[in-house]
Amino acid sequence: DIQMTQSPSSLSASVGDRVTITCRASQSISNYLIWYQQKPGKAPKLLIYAASSLQSGVPSRFSGSGSGTDFTLTFSSLQPEDFATYYCQQSYSTPYTFGQGTKLEI
Amino acid sequence: QVQLQESGPGLVKPSETLSLTCTVSGGSVSSGRYYWSWIRQPPGKGLEWIGYIYYSGNTNYNASLKSRLTILVDTSKNQFSLKLTSVTAADTAVYYCARIGQQVIRYAMDVWGQGTTVTVSS
Repeated sequence: DIQMTQSPSSLSASVGDRVTITCRASQSISNYLIWYQQKPGKAPKLLIYAASSLQSGVPSRFSGSGSGTDFTLTFSSLQPEDFATYYCQQSYSTPYTFGQGTKLEI
Repeated sequence: QVQLQESGPGLVKPSETLSLTCTVSGGSVSSGRYYWSWIRQPPGKGLEWIGYIYYSGNTNYNASLKSRLTILVDTSKNQFSLKLTSVTAADTAVYYCARIGQQVIRYAMDVWGQGTTVTVSS
């Protein structure tokens, strides 16, 4: 199985901050990397697919980059509604696997 | 737009079978463009992919659950379902159903149900 490792596990930040979360795959996954946002008590929401493509309706302050084994999710300027947990997921091969999550806190 | 809704018992006894159904509305489970998936999340923990099914009935299961798992599709009811046998407390989780998109979006799960909590306890 491909292991996905996110860092940090938690992060304190402020509104307006520029923040980056990283995700590392245990082997190359090309650009089969997906980012989700999850708020408490809610289902995950698709943010970014193919490592850097923004899902329709997702604000442009979110951006993703990377290929191979190392990926990043960047917030250009944090907004109050961005405080949530973020997960990366690889869809290169089954079993699809997720990172452990990064909790973004105020 | 497409919506997914999970349904099933919220409490299952140890050693019994967990059965959940996902009803698809606003779209068709028979669309050959998508796969239909189950994911779970134990309390306070991360996400685990369980498996997926195609409208034809072809499946792909997480090997960690394969011996206990069955995913079926019912195109007449526009539903797909999950059965997990011999459950233990470790199967306690929120269970989500989701739609897996095509290769162009790198098989991302682009539509999710709201989730249903299943507790395994006597």
